[in-house]
Amino acid sequence: DSGVTQTPKHLITATGQRVTLRCSPRSGDLSVYWYQQSLDQGLQFLIQYYNGEERAKGNILERFSAQQFPDLHSELNLSSLELGDSALYFCASSVKASGRPGELFFGEGSRLTVL
Amino acid sequence: LAKTTQPISMDSYEGQEVNITCSHNNIATNDYITWYQQFPSQGPRFIIQGYKTKVTNEVASLFIPADRKSSTLSLPRVSLSDTAVYYCLVGDFGGGGADGLTFGKGTHLIIQP
Repeated sequence: DSGVTQTPKHLITATGQRVTLRCSPRSGDLSVYWYQQSLDQGLQFLIQYYNGEERAKGNILERFSAQQFPDLHSELNLSSLELGDSALYFCASSVKASGRPGELFFGEGSRLTVL
Repeated sequence: LAKTTQPISMDSYEGQEVNITCSHNNIATNDYITWYQQFPSQGPRFIIQGYKTKVTNEVASLFIPADRKSSTLSLPRVSLSDTAVYYCLVGDFGGGGADGLTFGKGTHLIIQP
């Protein structure tokens, strides 16, 4: 158990719809990262937040947005969903002053299926 | 983050030692080398990290030559459960943390009986 909690674990929806994925980082972790992993693809970095502020942005579509709240949990909003958005969405967290820089703790992921 | 190159896939057998090499020719002075393991439908898990020479922990060893332009993850006496994707990442993680940590496609290691 990494200590990172993601909900929901599975989600099935239709094209054109909007969904929200939720992530609770490990206690004390200030950074939250979102990744997308499609079938047979590597992990695509979407976006990172640190203590409520956007820290880094990757290949995140304009239809997607995210935020980190004061209690440090984060939400990833996916709108106008397309079939190609079907994927595993991972959240990870890290501690800035960790003894092992670059160590991320990943949640179990949210599997999104768009029909 | 420094670009990395690693084999797409590798095969081995139970009980063998497996070495996965990652090239990172443009590694910067402050960059660390980190390896992750990912099983199907699970999030990646940190395996090992190093800066230079050799690092060993309970699951793996990491060998880094003096020029640091490559690194080798060594898994001793692999078992079927070591079948997974292994990612090599290089970056300056020490200052503001692991900003925009990008994973490539990794190396798909398949262990056979």
